[in-house]
Amino acid sequence: SQTIHQWPATLVQPVGSPLSLECTVEGTSNPNLYWYRQAAGRGLQLLFYSVGIGQISSEVPQNLSASRPQDRQFILSSKKLLLSDSGFYLCAWSGTVGNTIYFGEGSWLTVV
Amino acid sequence: AQTVTQSQPEMSVQEAETVTLSCTYDTSENNYYLFWYKQPPSRQMILVIRQEAYKQQNATENRFSVNFQKAAKSFSLKISDSQLGDTAMYFCAFMKHGSSNTGKLIFGQGTTLQVKP
Repeated sequence: SQTIHQWPATLVQPVGSPLSLECTVEGTSNPNLYWYRQAAGRGLQLLFYSVGIGQISSEVPQNLSASRPQDRQFILSSKKLLLSDSGFYLCAWSGTVGNTIYFGEGSWLTVV
Repeated sequence: AQTVTQSQPEMSVQEAETVTLSCTYDTSENNYYLFWYKQPPSRQMILVIRQEAYKQQNATENRFSVNFQKAAKSFSLKISDSQLGDTAMYFCAFMKHGSSNTGKLIFGQGTTLQVKP
């Protein structure tokens, strides 16, 4: 069966510091991968999606970037964090575009 | 642009009873998917049920079922025999179908459900 893991689960970072959140999927090949962000008490917003290695599409302009160095690895990064980057970040995957999206456990980022 | 509306910010139900969560959406698309996700206090987003718009039959997963009314653009979730573990925030979500689809889910604002013993 397929599994998705992301880490770290919780992160407290000072303003201006870099960020790296990692996500891996097991049990499938060539998944579509996504990064979502959830503001407190609200629904999710798609940040990035990837249909293959090195292929990244951004949904909203922001202080973050994403990379996919391997087929089942997806990384969310920032060179300099802003206070507004605080939130709950979820990695997700699907088998094909249009298929059901499954989420990881999430990473809670607090920028101080 | 598509929108999803959940008009019930909070609901409660007694254990073993039935509760229905409402969801309406707006789209000009004919083919699409609808989902209900559950987010317990652990914050992980868990798929509850999925409906394909071209299917007239309402989806069912054990105690969870939907009432899909395509013409009315309504997609409600019924939870039967509610259990304490059903306590969570529930999100209704929409996704377009087709090759141009990015896998982008459009979420409602969520309904917090509390199951009381």
